[in-house]
Amino acid sequence: DTGVSQDPRHKITKRGQNVTFRCDPISEHNRLYWYRQTLGQGPEFLTYFQNEAQLEKSRLLSDRFSAERPKGSFSTLEIQRTEQGDSAMYLCASSLIVAGDAFFGQGTRLTVV
Amino acid sequence: AQKVTQAQTEISVVEKEDVTLDCVYETRDTTYYLFWYKQPPSGELVFLIRRNSFDEQNEISGRYSWNFQKSTSSFNFTITASQVVDSAVYFCALSERVGGSGAGSYQLTFGKGTKLSVIP
Repeated sequence: DTGVSQDPRHKITKRGQNVTFRCDPISEHNRLYWYRQTLGQGPEFLTYFQNEAQLEKSRLLSDRFSAERPKGSFSTLEIQRTEQGDSAMYLCASSLIVAGDAFFGQGTRLTVV
Repeated sequence: AQKVTQAQTEISVVEKEDVTLDCVYETRDTTYYLFWYKQPPSGELVFLIRRNSFDEQNEISGRYSWNFQKSTSSFNFTITASQVVDSAVYFCALSERVGGSGAGSYQLTFGKGTKLSVIP
């Protein structure tokens, strides 16, 4: 597989529950990004890793959100105590070249009921 | 702050017509990158093109062409002889170096997208 892989593709959860998403970037890509996309909008930057270090976090990333990339390969995004406003598509991207050509996965669509 | 504006929310064309998707951007940096992505109904963002701020040459790839004009801060995308498979949401995005950690990150700022419907 040569693309960015995200799991699960869809997640429905009750408000207040915790959820975790996984992203497997293109191998050898040292940069990994998380974006969030709500209906009718473009993706918005959440956070970024270079290898295992989380170097940037958007103000959109509240304390309920945490992301990790423990070995510089796959990454997880956890949302604690989910709220209805968290319903969105969560997109992962990876890149090798400094300036991008970021390649995106198919996303995880989260619905909080 | 960087900003990307795609004024056209939705466009409908009949198959084989040409269509141009507009993109206007704002940035204070002299070094930046512009992108176009396609998002079909499946949801995945498909990379189409990246241009850097120092290369204003227009580019053609098959039925796709891009017109980059720094004087008007625009990076427009034209599809020639549109096909039904071109139906998707198209996003223009801007990337510039932000942050001081190491090399900095190149997070993308996206426009709101233009939904293109090609009618058979």
